[in-house]
Amino acid sequence: NAGVTQTPKFQVLKTGQSMTLQCAQDMNHNSMYWYRQDPGMGLRLIYYSASEGTTDKGEVPNGYNVSRLNKREFSLRLESAAPSQTSVYFCASRGLKGGNNYGYTFGSGTRLTVV
Amino acid sequence: RKEVEQDPGPFNVPEGATVAFNCTYSNSASQSFFWYRQDCRKEPKLLMSVYSSGNEDGRFTAQLNRASQYISLLIRDSKLSDSATYLCVVSRPYSGAGSYQLTFGKGTKLSVIP
Repeated sequence: NAGVTQTPKFQVLKTGQSMTLQCAQDMNHNSMYWYRQDPGMGLRLIYYSASEGTTDKGEVPNGYNVSRLNKREFSLRLESAAPSQTSVYFCASRGLKGGNNYGYTFGSGTRLTVV
Repeated sequence: RKEVEQDPGPFNVPEGATVAFNCTYSNSASQSFFWYRQDCRKEPKLLMSVYSSGNEDGRFTAQLNRASQYISLLIRDSKLSDSATYLCVVSRPYSGAGSYQLTFGKGTKLSVIP
């Protein structure tokens, strides 16, 4: 099925470990996003990529890096995980206005716990 | 003032009831507006876009008042399956050409009770 695929779905890290969250979309969308969702905080933008080859910081970029590998893939890396990064991470992509889906399509999320 | 504010909730309503959610946004440059639905431990999914003239999709009606910077969602004849958190979402241009940033409200939880 077309959509946004995130891996892994669950992950437990020790403080200081690194990991990369993977995201891929097969809808030929230009824009891709990484959000985190914490209880009582709503969804907050970490990084986004308006098009292949470009990335920009969002609201809460500290402690993260991203790579827009190609049009399909947008990865999020935690270089040295901290307990404050325990959260649910969502990747999203966006179609063009007037297309089949102008709204954002989200992946199913990665539940990350840092101990 | 928060960029997107919603009713705090939770809303507990009986089946068949009509329920209304309200949302205000602070950035007058906001251009696009949406309601998303998020089920427990699932990803947000687009419920409907909100247009200036108001729009309806079955039992759901969305309204936008740009002058008051106010968005609403009305659900008629509530079903058990409507139980979810409803997110008010606002989109505005953000730096680079063609780039939009979505700002999410914290959501309002709806529980429809048999």
